[in-house]
Amino acid sequence: DIQMTQSPASLSASLGETVTIQCQASEDIYSGLAWYQQKPGKSPQLLIYGASSLQDGVPSRFSGSGSGTQYSLKISSMQTEDEGVYFCQQGLKYPHTFGAGTKLELK
Amino acid sequence: EVQLVESGGGLVQPGRSLKLSCAASGFTFSNYYMAWVRQAPKKGLEWVATISTSGSRTYYPDSVKGRFTISRDNAKSSLYLQMNSLKSEDTATYYCARLGGGYAYYFDYWGQGVMVTVSS
Repeated sequence: DIQMTQSPASLSASLGETVTIQCQASEDIYSGLAWYQQKPGKSPQLLIYGASSLQDGVPSRFSGSGSGTQYSLKISSMQTEDEGVYFCQQGLKYPHTFGAGTKLELK
Repeated sequence: EVQLVESGGGLVQPGRSLKLSCAASGFTFSNYYMAWVRQAPKKGLEWVATISTSGSRTYYPDSVKGRFTISRDNAKSSLYLQMNSLKSEDTATYYCARLGGGYAYYFDYWGQGVMVTVSS
């Protein structure tokens, strides 16, 4: 199985600050990576797919990059509504696997 | 608007069975792979099952293989998850999700989730 390792496990950011979350796959996943945001009591929402494609309706301050085994999600200017837990997921091979999540809080 | 609405959750004893349903609307259901993803309380996300557009192909992780069965009824735009021999570790919120992608899959729409509690 492909293991997905996210870092950091948690972080806090000030309004307007740039935030970066990392995700490392245990093998090359050829950009088959997605990012999700989950707010308390809500279902996850897709932010990024194919490592760098922005899902419709997602603010442009979110961006994804990376290749091979290393990927990152960047929020260019932290907003209040960006608080939540972020997960990465590989969809290249079965079983589809998720990272453990990164909890983002407003400082 | 894409909508996925799960039902069928509840409290069940270990070793018993439960069947979840997901009613889909707002898109051509028969054109999409569909999946179930679960989340144990205060934990991360775990993919549970995927089914192809026709239902002829299904995929499961080892943790549920042989106990869970995913199925679909394209005429009713409905997805199902039959869960047998339930264990306490199956306690989770179960989400129905639509799959997008080609060479690699991602979950582009999710339902609100349904809680399954396995306990005596």
